[in-house]
Amino acid sequence: QVQLQESGPGLVKPSETLSLTCTVSGGSISSYYWSWIRQPAGMGLEWIGRIYTSGSTNYNPSLKSRVTMSVDTSKNQFSLKLNSVTAADTAVYYCARGYSSSSSAYSYYMDVWGKGTTVTVSS
Amino acid sequence: SYELTQPPSVSVSPGQTASITCSGDKLGDKYASWYQQKPGQSPVLVIYQDNKRPSGIPERFSGSNSGNTATLTISGTQAINEADYYCQAWDSSTVVFGGGTKLTVL
Repeated sequence: QVQLQESGPGLVKPSETLSLTCTVSGGSISSYYWSWIRQPAGMGLEWIGRIYTSGSTNYNPSLKSRVTMSVDTSKNQFSLKLNSVTAADTAVYYCARGYSSSSSAYSYYMDVWGKGTTVTVSS
Repeated sequence: SYELTQPPSVSVSPGQTASITCSGDKLGDKYASWYQQKPGQSPVLVIYQDNKRPSGIPERFSGSNSGNTATLTISGTQAINEADYYCQAWDSSTVVFGGGTKLTVL
C-alpha cells in the first residue's frame, strides 16, 4: 500500500521560501504524476502543481511565478518550493499521487494522499 | 480560467439519497472526479472518470456527468457519509477543484 508523508518547516517567515518534501513509501515513485495541493483553514482545496518522474511539470497559473517542483527518484521523494511567501500562503499542504489517462478526454485524478502538513507564514 | 461550481451545502435524512452537483462549461466533455474530506483528515477519492469507484469505496457512491453538470449520488446515506465533497476536473493543463459542498446528514 503506497503511503505519502509530507515533511518540512511548520513556520516560514514572510518573503522567504517554503520548502516541503514528500516521501513515497510502499511503492515506486516512477511512472506516476505527483501533485501538491493546499488548503487554508476552513477553505477549499487549491492545486499547486504536479511533476512527472521525468521532471516534466504543470503549475497552477496563479502560483506559477513562485513555484518550483523537483523529483529525486533515487530517494523516492519529490519536493515543492514556493518563494516570496506571505500570510496568504498559510495552509495545510498535501502531496498526492496522480493518475492520468487519455481516451475520450484527458483524465487526471489523485488516488493517494498524504496526511498533510501545516505551514504558517509569520514573522 | 475554468471554474467548477458546487452548492455550499446539501442536507439529507439518514437512509435517503443525497445528490451533489458540480457545474462547469461543457463539463460533460471532460472527466470529473470526486473527493470526500472529513474534518481533520486528508481527502479521499470516491469517484474518478465520472462514474468509477476506487477499490474500497462502497457501492452507495455513484457518479454521472453530462452537459454542464456532474453529479455525485450517495444512496442510503449514513451518518458516516457526513463530510465535505469536492469535484475536480482537468482543464488547460491544470487541475480545477470545485469550491466544495458540506453534506449534512440530519
